[in-house]
Amino acid sequence: GDSVTQMEGPVTLSEEAFLTINCTYTATGYPSLFWYVQYPGEGLQLLLKATKADDKGSNKGFEATYRKETTSFHLEKGSVQVSDSAVYFCALSSSNTGNQFYFGTGTSLTVIP
Amino acid sequence: DSGVTQTPKHLITATGQRVTLRCSPRSGDLSVYWYQQSLDQGLQFLIQYYNGEERAKGNILERFSAQQFPDLHSELNLSSLELGDSALYFCASSVGHRDRGTDTQYFGPGTRLTVL
Repeated sequence: GDSVTQMEGPVTLSEEAFLTINCTYTATGYPSLFWYVQYPGEGLQLLLKATKADDKGSNKGFEATYRKETTSFHLEKGSVQVSDSAVYFCALSSSNTGNQFYFGTGTSLTVIP
Repeated sequence: DSGVTQTPKHLITATGQRVTLRCSPRSGDLSVYWYQQSLDQGLQFLIQYYNGEERAKGNILERFSAQQFPDLHSELNLSSLELGDSALYFCASSVGHRDRGTDTQYFGPGTRLTVL
């Protein structure tokens, strides 16, 4: 079945460091891919998405490119800030499964000054 | 603000009791999803409704049930509560396009349930 695998956390970085959080997926058909972010004490917020191969989603300095050949959707940011400390979830949705969402386990990021 | 509202924000109750969590989707969204988030099990999909009908079921216990009303708000009922049911319960909504894999879910702020 469809699934998402993302790198285990927690991840701790210094401010202005480069961030990569790996995400790979398994899906039948052509899924849409998402990154959600959950700040402490809050619900999940959509960070970015990509709906077809080679699309790049971007928002707030974060980017992820939909790579069909490697079935990946890695999240990157060139220079993290303390305010980026949160849990990041990779997810996919496929019309083959009635737009069911499949979430990864989440990766906790802490950015230290 | 996602436009999805959930009440109550916090709920404290005892084992064996029954509670109801409420969710109002974003204006125009027909699909509602319920998730449970706990420290040991992560984010678990429970159930989805689309325009009043159950569309998909995930890891929902038999003690739990949900429904979506004609005004599209949804309620999640949890009964015979156990200590292990303590968790954050999130509701999400989406437009609900079945045939297009571009549907985006928008999450509410959650209800924190504590079972003592």
